[in-house]
Amino acid sequence: DAGVIQSPRHEVTEMGQEVTLRCKLISGHNSLFWYRQTMMRGLELLIYFNNNVPIDDSGMPEDRFSAKMPNASFSTLKIQPSEPRDSAVYFCASSFQDRYTDTQYFGPGTRLTVL
Amino acid sequence: AQSVTQPDIHITVSEGASLELRCNYSYGATPYLFWYVQSPGQGLQLLLKYFSGDTLVQGIKGFEAEFKRSQSSFNLRKPSVHWSDAAEYFCAMLMFSGGYNKLIFGAGTRLAVHP
Repeated sequence: DAGVIQSPRHEVTEMGQEVTLRCKLISGHNSLFWYRQTMMRGLELLIYFNNNVPIDDSGMPEDRFSAKMPNASFSTLKIQPSEPRDSAVYFCASSFQDRYTDTQYFGPGTRLTVL
Repeated sequence: AQSVTQPDIHITVSEGASLELRCNYSYGATPYLFWYVQSPGQGLQLLLKYFSGDTLVQGIKGFEAEFKRSQSSFNLRKPSVHWSDAAEYFCAMLMFSGGYNKLIFGAGTRLAVHP
């Protein structure tokens, strides 16, 4: 049973370039979370989708960040233009949200380095 | 305010020794609690979870955790640590906020294992 799949696993880019991170949810899950992990801030929730609809994007740091969920199983997180302070590990997690039980399963992450 | 606290940033144990990682929570209702482990360069893997019922929860890799409402704690334990257990451990709590279930993480405890 495939877990959450993220690509690429590593991305090195130069300041000002566009970066697109990809995530494939676990089949049957209806919720998708994007997180960012840094040494200084730990794990931060960036955005949450439920049934393909963005529900909470209050954690998206700036307008340079955007996320989409074009279908029930796939999401992208785009940074345009990228800056060195965006360097971090980006995780997506999926879950099946219902009233009584809700467990998030994380992907392996994308380590982004912006030079 | 709702929060998760992991009092120990770093812990070092000898291989074969017992382990207890502390986690305290603050929440007005019955919490749903989780422990995740993150090995270097990897994503977060779910070790165990508590939703209700038996307060002693068994997880993968020989870990267990005990929910103690009176102490607002959910400590993770393992009777005999293996070198491969060296990793960072995150306690997390599911909190209903903004119309959905949000996962609140502790700051993490980094475990080192001496041979």
